[in-house]
Amino acid sequence: EAQVTQNPRYLITVTGKKLTVTCSQNMNHEYMSWYRQDPGLGLRQIYYSMNVEVTDKGDVPEGYKVSRKEKRNFPLILESPSPNQTSLYFCASSLTGYNSPLHFGNGTRLTVT
Amino acid sequence: TQLLEQSPQFLSIQEGENLTVYCNSSSVFSSLQWYRQEPGEGPVLLVTVVTGGEVKKLKRLTFQFGDARKDSSLHITAAQPGDTGLYLCAGSSGTYKYIFGTGTRLKVLA
Repeated sequence: EAQVTQNPRYLITVTGKKLTVTCSQNMNHEYMSWYRQDPGLGLRQIYYSMNVEVTDKGDVPEGYKVSRKEKRNFPLILESPSPNQTSLYFCASSLTGYNSPLHFGNGTRLTVT
Repeated sequence: TQLLEQSPQFLSIQEGENLTVYCNSSSVFSSLQWYRQEPGEGPVLLVTVVTGGEVKKLKRLTFQFGDARKDSSLHITAAQPGDTGLYLCAGSSGTYKYIFGTGTRLKVLA
């Protein structure tokens, strides 16, 4: 089954403790992206990747890192999480990233205390 | 900064009623997509429109892309409880960035 898999689904952590949210897709998509969803603000793009080893900042990249060492994986790293990073995070992939539809994972709800 | 404004933000209607959701921007997009999101899940694509003036139908849902490719609408005919969810529009300007609207939360009452 074609899908985007994120782990974990729920994560509670403390300020400053490094964490990684994993994302994997099995559709051989070139493009992958991370979003955060907050009430009243909609989905905002954090980082995206056009291909292996090629990444770029979205609209809200501060406090986040990404890497794309393999085509199927695109982990999101929070080196020193802060409470304002409490949010619902989505990973998405698409065939080209250029006018092509996004396929989303089921989300990771992160709480930073 | 490109922005997509959706209206209304919330909509609660009775089963069988019609409704329209709007997605507006001052920017031109090369394509626009509509997604529906249900609680606990990621958004799921409904449709992509790419040509100014384009109209697409998906059963009881009709999508239109504005002539100038700055706006779009989603019309639902005879809404059903199964249509309940968060509707999101997303614009692509062909630069690998997707801009999402803030969403319209629809509740259809039986």
